[in-house]
Amino acid sequence: DGGITQSPKYLFRKEGQNVTLSCEQNLNHDAMYWYRQDPGQGLRLIYYSQIVNDFQKGDIAEGYSVSREKKESFPLTVTSAQKNPTAFYLCASSMGEIYNEQFFGPGTRLTVL
Amino acid sequence: KNQVEQSPQSLIILEGKNCTLQCNYTVSPFSNLRWYKQDTGRGPVSLTIMTFSENTKSNGRYTATLDADTKQSSLHITASQLSDSASYICVVSAYYGNNRLAFGKGNQVVVIP
Repeated sequence: DGGITQSPKYLFRKEGQNVTLSCEQNLNHDAMYWYRQDPGQGLRLIYYSQIVNDFQKGDIAEGYSVSREKKESFPLTVTSAQKNPTAFYLCASSMGEIYNEQFFGPGTRLTVL
Repeated sequence: KNQVEQSPQSLIILEGKNCTLQCNYTVSPFSNLRWYKQDTGRGPVSLTIMTFSENTKSNGRYTATLDADTKQSSLHITASQLSDSASYICVVSAYYGNNRLAFGKGNQVVVIP
């Protein structure tokens, strides 16, 4: 089956710890994205990547880091510098030009205690 | 700044009834508009995507309309089912510039028996 997978679905961490969220796609899409979703708010772009070994900051990149070593994978690290990390994180991918139709993964809910 | 406003924020409808969700945007220059359905705790799934020249597009019981002159779109749900309970997100894309992808906060729909 083609699609985007995110793991884990639920993640708990203590305050001050870094945590990495996984995102893998087998759609052969060039572009990948990370969004954060908070209750009552629209999706906000954290980082995006158009090609391997290249990525750009989105609207709320502070406290986050990413890597794109393989076309299929775009992991997101939530660092201890992120002041309010508890949220629902969504990964997406699209073919070709960066803002073409996006396909979303199932999401990871991160709770920092 | 490119923005998307959705209304109503939430609504409750009886199973079998119709409803219409609204999306107003200020995105320019307009490229396309998409409606996504997001079930609670899951990633958004695309329902429709429309470009400037398209006035209406259907996907089963979902029908989206677009008026590019007034910068308004609507999503009409016909003969609602319990499985239609979800958040419906309007996303508008610009051809170029900063903030090329603008997300609405979503319309929360609850269908009751």
